[in-house]
Amino acid sequence: GQNIDQPTEMTATEGAIVQINCTYQTSGFNGLFWYQQHAGEAPTFLSYNVLDGLEEKGRLTSVLSRSKGYSYLLLKELQMKDSASYLCAVRDSNYQLIWGAGTKLIIKP
Amino acid sequence: TAGITQAPTSQILAAGRSMTLRCTQDMRHNAMYWYRQDLGLGLRLIHYSNTAGTTGKGEVPDGYSVSRANTDDFPLTLASAVPSQTSVYFCASSDSGEGTQYFGPGTRLTVL
Repeated sequence: GQNIDQPTEMTATEGAIVQINCTYQTSGFNGLFWYQQHAGEAPTFLSYNVLDGLEEKGRLTSVLSRSKGYSYLLLKELQMKDSASYLCAVRDSNYQLIWGAGTKLIIKP
Repeated sequence: TAGITQAPTSQILAAGRSMTLRCTQDMRHNAMYWYRQDLGLGLRLIHYSNTAGTTGKGEVPDGYSVSRANTDDFPLTLASAVPSQTSVYFCASSDSGEGTQYFGPGTRLTVL
């Protein structure tokens, strides 16, 4: 079967750095996405990786290792507005997205 | 630009009744999707459409039907609602089946 694993919840301090992990087992791989979802709102796109390596956008870095079936999201200089759920999704051999249950990130002052 | 709109925002529905959730996008995206999101689970694909006039079944299609008469609209119909269909429903679109998906604001449906 297909499976995406993420920690259920994480807590971090304002101004610090947090790493959110995602491991996957899917039938084929055609890219990995990270989305942010604030409570009661829609998911919004953060980043996309298809090759091993990292993608950087401002305070956010996403890293992919296809050989390990693993990705992580690094958020730096955390702000209170970063409190949200972070969703990992893998596009499989049928080009459908398989979604993890999400990691709820709580930022404390 | 509106992007993707969904209606209604929320709805309480009696079991056995039918309901259509509406989704409209103005980005001229070819592909559209319906997902449901339940607590503790990842988003699950109900139905999708890669282009106007075609539809396909996702992971959890039973009890739902869709149509794609034109590029902009992708309604989701529950023919006879059951309590297990209580969920938040998100519509999404992408310029192609390989593109990034963009989501509408969601419809919160409660079936009693």
